[in-house]
Amino acid sequence: DGGITQSPKYLFRKEGQNVTLSCEQNLNHDAMYWYRQDPGQGLRLIYYSQIVNDFQKGDIAEGYSVSREKKESFPLTVTSAQKNPTAFYLCASRGFYGYTFGSGTRLTVV
Amino acid sequence: EDQVTQSPEALRLQEGESSSLNCSYTVSGLRGLFWYRQDPGKGPEFLFTLYSAGEEKEKERLKATLTKKESFLHITAPKPEDSATYLCAVQGSGATNKLIFGTGTLLAVQP
Repeated sequence: DGGITQSPKYLFRKEGQNVTLSCEQNLNHDAMYWYRQDPGQGLRLIYYSQIVNDFQKGDIAEGYSVSREKKESFPLTVTSAQKNPTAFYLCASRGFYGYTFGSGTRLTVV
Repeated sequence: EDQVTQSPEALRLQEGESSSLNCSYTVSGLRGLFWYRQDPGKGPEFLFTLYSAGEEKEKERLKATLTKKESFLHITAPKPEDSATYLCAVQGSGATNKLIFGTGTLLAVQP
């Protein structure tokens, strides 16, 4: 079945450490998105990519980086510059019929 | 600025007690309004897309409607398994095709 796979499901980061969240899709979608979800807030856009080898900053890109070397993959790196990284991270892709979301990665700073 | 407001923040219903969730929006050039269901610790699950005022869509006990300023998600005779957070999002005419989300309505259906 086609879908989006995010890994790991849970991730713990120490202060000053960079961590990378994986997002893989087999839907053949060109556009992919990273959102952050915090309690009491709507999903907020971090980065998006509408085609391979191209990506753009979203509304809250500071402290994050991405790459899009393959159509299927859109990894997100949370850098040490992100001061409050504890959150639920969601990856999505967009096709003709709409958006499909992954199951999320919960990142916690320890 | 594009904006989505959902109400109520939380709703508790008895099994079989019908109700509606509201999603008010302001967006420049609506390209689509989306309803998602989200269970705890999981990603949003697609329910409906509405494109123009007057449009309605149904799926089992759920019915979504759209006007020029708001959308309603009507839940008829809910069951405990309908308990979840329901998210509303809009896509405007901007180049990013990004979704603007509301904060969601947490629905609890008690048996």
